[in-house]
Amino acid sequence: EAGVTQFPSHSVIEKGQTVTLRCDPISGHDNLYWYRRVMGKEIKFLLHFVKESKQDESGMPNNRFLAERTGGTYSTLKVQPAELEDSGVYFCASSQEIEQFFGPGTRLTVL
Amino acid sequence: SQQGEEDPQALSIQEGENATMNCSYKTSINNLQWYRQNSGRGLVHLILIRSNEREKHSGRLRVTLDTSKKSSSLLITASRAADTASYFCATCPIGGGADGLTFGKGTHLIIQP
Repeated sequence: EAGVTQFPSHSVIEKGQTVTLRCDPISGHDNLYWYRRVMGKEIKFLLHFVKESKQDESGMPNNRFLAERTGGTYSTLKVQPAELEDSGVYFCASSQEIEQFFGPGTRLTVL
Repeated sequence: SQQGEEDPQALSIQEGENATMNCSYKTSINNLQWYRQNSGRGLVHLILIRSNEREKHSGRLRVTLDTSKKSSSLLITASRAADTASYFCATCPIGGGADGLTFGKGTHLIIQP
């Protein structure tokens, strides 16, 4: 069974540009989560989808971040416009019950 | 201190020895999960312990949970070089077993051959 996949694995953009990250959860998992780890800090929860609905988006840092999960399958996280402090590793996870399975992450560098 | 704070921050031991990492948290939880991250790679789920459990085993891993002290420990027995990684505890708040997790900063474990 395929695990959680994320695309791209790395992204380097300039400040002010837009970047869209994609996450494909494990097939059949209703829960999908986005997390972020910035340099030297702990992994922080961003938001949680149940199917296509946002269950909890309390961790989203500001309105430059937009997450979608149309159709309840894959999800995208768009950052527009990107700022220097957005650099970090963005993880996606999915679960059917309690145990969350993480993807390899997307390393975002904003120059 | 942060929710889900691990200690020590770094640990270096000889291969074959046991490694113990601790995690403390502040709020009531539904469950606590331990993850491993090898350098530059994703998080691998190791073990989950629910708030009504006190101890759990999985292979060479043993996890304990003390909800009265709001702490957990991860013991890796008979360590191997491949166990070198960062280990994180993550807590799920009470009321929602599938809610977003709160992570600590992790313990970086180095196993010397």
